[in-house]
Amino acid sequence: NAGVTQTPKFQVLKTGQSMTLQCAQDMNHEYMSWYRQDPGMGLRLIHYSVGAGITDQGEVPNGYNVSRSTTEDFPLRLLSAAPSQTSVYFCASSDQATNEKLFFGSGTQLSVL
Amino acid sequence: SQQGEEDPQALSIQEGENATMNCSYKTSINNLQWYRQNSGRGLVHLILIRSNEREKHSGRLRVTLDTSKKSSSLLITASRAADTASYFCATPSNTGNQFYFGTGTSLTVIP
Repeated sequence: NAGVTQTPKFQVLKTGQSMTLQCAQDMNHEYMSWYRQDPGMGLRLIHYSVGAGITDQGEVPNGYNVSRSTTEDFPLRLLSAAPSQTSVYFCASSDQATNEKLFFGSGTQLSVL
Repeated sequence: SQQGEEDPQALSIQEGENATMNCSYKTSINNLQWYRQNSGRGLVHLILIRSNEREKHSGRLRVTLDTSKKSSSLLITASRAADTASYFCATPSNTGNQFYFGTGTSLTVIP
């Protein structure tokens, strides 16, 4: 049981480039979400999904797209990277029935130059 | 912002001492959760306390909740060097679809 797997662990982009952060979970969780973590800001929710085909915006969705074609995968796309998107990104999932415990991936450290 | 806040921002104690960190939140809640984050890692769930509970224990962890003050505290007893980490409180939205995290307390336990 791998839990929540995020790739890549590190990424450097130039301003304007696009990329996709991958997230996969093998716990059959309906709920998946993306957070960004910045110094002094805690974790802020970007997008979340309560099941395949269903996504919704969190607190800071601008500049990011998501899709949920399967229960297992929830990729996060940066359409045109900006230096303000330099951050550590975490994917998290939970059992929608209880939604009482988030399981986190190990994070992706992204730098936009 | 719906974010809560932890207090203090940073705490440094000697091994064997107790560590107390506090969390304040803004809205009514069904439950409050505490998470730990080791440096460079993802967050790990520690303990959940429901809105109708005032205190909960798990091993060396004790959590209290005061819904009238919208605050919670996490006590780690007999701290160990391995407890060095950042600690976050989190509250779910009423729909349960969004989790709001505090800004975290950085705990350093000196051997």
